[in-house]
Amino acid sequence: EVQLVESGGGLVQPGGSLRLSCVASGFTFSNYWMSWVRQAPGKGLEEMANIKEDGSEKYSVDSVKGRFTISRDNTKNSLYLQMNSLRAEDTAVYYCARDIEVAGSNDWYFDLWGRGTLVTVSS
Amino acid sequence: SYELTQPPSVSVSPGQTASIPCSGDKLGDRYASWYQHKPGQSPVVVIYEDSKWPSGIPERFSGSNSGNTATLTISGTQAMDEADYYCQAWDSSTAVFGGGTKLTVL
Repeated sequence: EVQLVESGGGLVQPGGSLRLSCVASGFTFSNYWMSWVRQAPGKGLEEMANIKEDGSEKYSVDSVKGRFTISRDNTKNSLYLQMNSLRAEDTAVYYCARDIEVAGSNDWYFDLWGRGTLVTVSS
Repeated sequence: SYELTQPPSVSVSPGQTASIPCSGDKLGDRYASWYQHKPGQSPVVVIYEDSKWPSGIPERFSGSNSGNTATLTISGTQAMDEADYYCQAWDSSTAVFGGGTKLTVL
């Protein structure tokens, strides 16, 4: 079965760290760009970061630059998000997602999502 | 930074047609995708490349994109279509999502 399964969420104090994992199965993980997308309570979807098939390129949004780091291990079919200096506003469900490029363009969309893992930042 | 704007809510009667707009500067020059998101579930892409259906998505879902507005249209809306819907485009190496529209089937 083609799927993504996240883990690693939980309760953490402000200023703390967490490492999220996402394990892929049912497809050739190393052939795809991958992303982390989050949804804060009562808010919409927001992409945090993405990473190229071989890990050689990474992009992240300004709100997490310097705090969150995306990485991957293709030998383990796994995607990671290291989150440091966590803030209350980072409280959200974090999803990993598979990126698909529209052929001949620089536009992308997400065709496969995990179920998400909840991160709560609170004292 | 690029922004996409959606109405917070849209209501429709069962069997009728629902239209959800998404506006952004020259959005028609980019490809738009649409996601359905139900509480406690993963988001699901229902339209990609403006108007294409992923396998398994009913043909009552359709999309268009021109000028500054992309539109998701659901024909013959069913109770199971009640969900949050997000438009998405790509800008400067990351995805941009609209704020989401809650579709209520009354």
